[in-house]
Amino acid sequence: GNSVTQMEGPVTLSEEAFLTINCTYTATGYPSLFWYVQYPGEGLQLLLKATKADDKGSNKGFEATYRKETTSFHLEKGSVQVSDSAVYFCALGPNQAGTALIFGKGTTLSVSS
Amino acid sequence: EPEVTQTPSHQVTQMGQEVILRCVPISNHLYFYWYRQILGQKVEFLVSFYNNEISEKSEIFDDQFSVERPDGSNFTLKIRSTKLEDSAMYFCASSMTSGDEQFFGPGTRLTVL
Repeated sequence: GNSVTQMEGPVTLSEEAFLTINCTYTATGYPSLFWYVQYPGEGLQLLLKATKADDKGSNKGFEATYRKETTSFHLEKGSVQVSDSAVYFCALGPNQAGTALIFGKGTTLSVSS
Repeated sequence: EPEVTQTPSHQVTQMGQEVILRCVPISNHLYFYWYRQILGQKVEFLVSFYNNEISEKSEIFDDQFSVERPDGSNFTLKIRSTKLEDSAMYFCASSMTSGDEQFFGPGTRLTVL
């Protein structure tokens, strides 16, 4: 069945460092791909999404490209800030028959000044 | 900006007791969801609800669970007889259509003693 594998955390970086959080997926068909972020004490918020192969989602300096050939959707940011400290979840969108998002385990990012 | 709200933020109950978790989805959304996250594990889909009936459910969503939209605004998850392994963070979400972005609430942390 469909699944998402996300790199284990925690990831600890200094401010202005480059961030990569790896995400790979297994899916039938061509589902949408998402990155959600959870700031401390808050719910899951959509960070960015891509709906088809080679699409690049971007938001708040974060980017991820839907790579069908490597079944990946890695999250990157060129220069992280302390305010980016959060838990990041990669998710696979519903297939045509379903409604469920399939989430990765989440990666905790901690950025220090 | 409209948001999904959930109450309570934290619920503590004794094993075998019934609990009801409450959610108010975004007002013009048509699809409603429950997910849960056991500490340290993946966010898992439980159930989706559309047009006053369940549209999809996972293997986790057994006879102990039920969902209801008792009025025009609330969406509830009931666990009839809680078990220790039901301890988790429960997230409610809503979307306009089944393939759209799902908007999540802040979660209810359920602790079963």
